[in-house]
Amino acid sequence: AQSVTQLGSHVSVSEGALVLLRCNYSSSVPPYLFWYVQYPNQGLQLLLKYTSAATLVKGINGFEAEFKKSETSFHLTKPSAHMSDAAEYFCAVSDNRDDKIIFGKGTRLHILP
Amino acid sequence: NAGVTQTPKFRILKIGQSMTLQCTQDMNHNYMYWYRQDPGMGLKLIYYSVGAGITDKGEVPNGYNVSRSTTEDFPLRLELAAPSQTSVYFCASKGLRATEAFFGQGTRLTVV
Repeated sequence: AQSVTQLGSHVSVSEGALVLLRCNYSSSVPPYLFWYVQYPNQGLQLLLKYTSAATLVKGINGFEAEFKKSETSFHLTKPSAHMSDAAEYFCAVSDNRDDKIIFGKGTRLHILP
Repeated sequence: NAGVTQTPKFRILKIGQSMTLQCTQDMNHNYMYWYRQDPGMGLKLIYYSVGAGITDKGEVPNGYNVSRSTTEDFPLRLELAAPSQTSVYFCASKGLRATEAFFGQGTRLTVV
């Protein structure tokens, strides 16, 4: 079965600093990988996705993620944090063996002024 | 375009009561999902459906039931509500396998 591990339930970075949110997945077949963002009292919004094309994926709001099969990782980065990036971020995995979408526990990103 | 619509947005239930959380999508998506979100636990899959008439259990199905009589609707039924079912519930839908899911705004349920 697929699974997702997000390291760090809370991450704090200074405004203008690099954002790095970690995600490792487990899947016995090639995965599809997603990062979603959730702002307070809202639903989830897709940031970016990997579906076996380019391993470096660019998303909205300046975020990007790199699929590394050898490390089973799909870490999310942004070169320069903005106050508006404060939110909770979820990594998710699915594959073409079954149709479940499994989420990690989430990482809350705090931006320090 | 409404996307995924969940009703109600908020609900308070007494222990032992039952209710149905409604979810409808207007994107003609085959796949639909129900999740619950608890603090620090992420989203847990309750049930999912790959098309009308087909449903499958997810990670935490106990205490819930679903049906999928049409492509558009995927209601979640709680029988004999328990305090452990206090949570925020999200419905989602998606089209093809490799595509992303679209989420509703959630239903905040409290069981007292």
